[in-house]
Amino acid sequence: KNEVEQSPQNLTAQEGEFITINCSYSVGISALHWLQQHPGGGIVSLFMLSSGKKKHGRLIATINIQEKHSSLHITASHPRDSAVYICAASNFGNEKLTFGTGTRLTIIP
Amino acid sequence: DTGVSQDPRHKITKRGQNVTFRCDPISEHNRLYWYRQTLGQGPEFLTYFQNEAQLEKSRLLSDRFSAERPKGSFSTLEIQRTEQGDSAMYLCASSFVAAISEAFFGQGTRLTVV
Repeated sequence: KNEVEQSPQNLTAQEGEFITINCSYSVGISALHWLQQHPGGGIVSLFMLSSGKKKHGRLIATINIQEKHSSLHITASHPRDSAVYICAASNFGNEKLTFGTGTRLTIIP
Repeated sequence: DTGVSQDPRHKITKRGQNVTFRCDPISEHNRLYWYRQTLGQGPEFLTYFQNEAQLEKSRLLSDRFSAERPKGSFSTLEIQRTEQGDSAMYLCASSFVAAISEAFFGQGTRLTVV
């Protein structure tokens, strides 16, 4: 059974700061997903990666397969980035997701 | 296609009542997953379908829970004799089976059992 851990659980930062959220997992995976959840519950997929690094706008996701670790970075953070960010690991074969507990990010103007 | 849709968005029910939730996946997606999320926690896997076949069920899915996906299209999740501990957000996700599949989530159904 895969264990997925995230840190920090809560993060408050000033607008413009560089944000890093970390995720570690315990067993081999097919991919690591970064998801965003806004109040009201809907989940949006930000990244799915199995190696290296991906960038989309101000968001960057990296993964180190050997260390079983991934990070999500937000550059030039903005109050609209405030949300819960969740990492999830997908199993080989059935692709079901094992989720971390999430990081609640609050960006103060 | 407007993505994964779930209905209802919110449900309040009295303890002991039965409830049924519906999920309509993205039309070409053959995999459909149900997850449950309690307050302050990440979602947890409940069950998944490939086409109409239910391939795996979590031990979280007690015998009061049943899920179906007739004809491999929409899916329903029914909870019988609801308990207060069933209060949670129920999330549906769909994907197209491939070596690595991105999952697309619905908005969820928030269940409150009073």
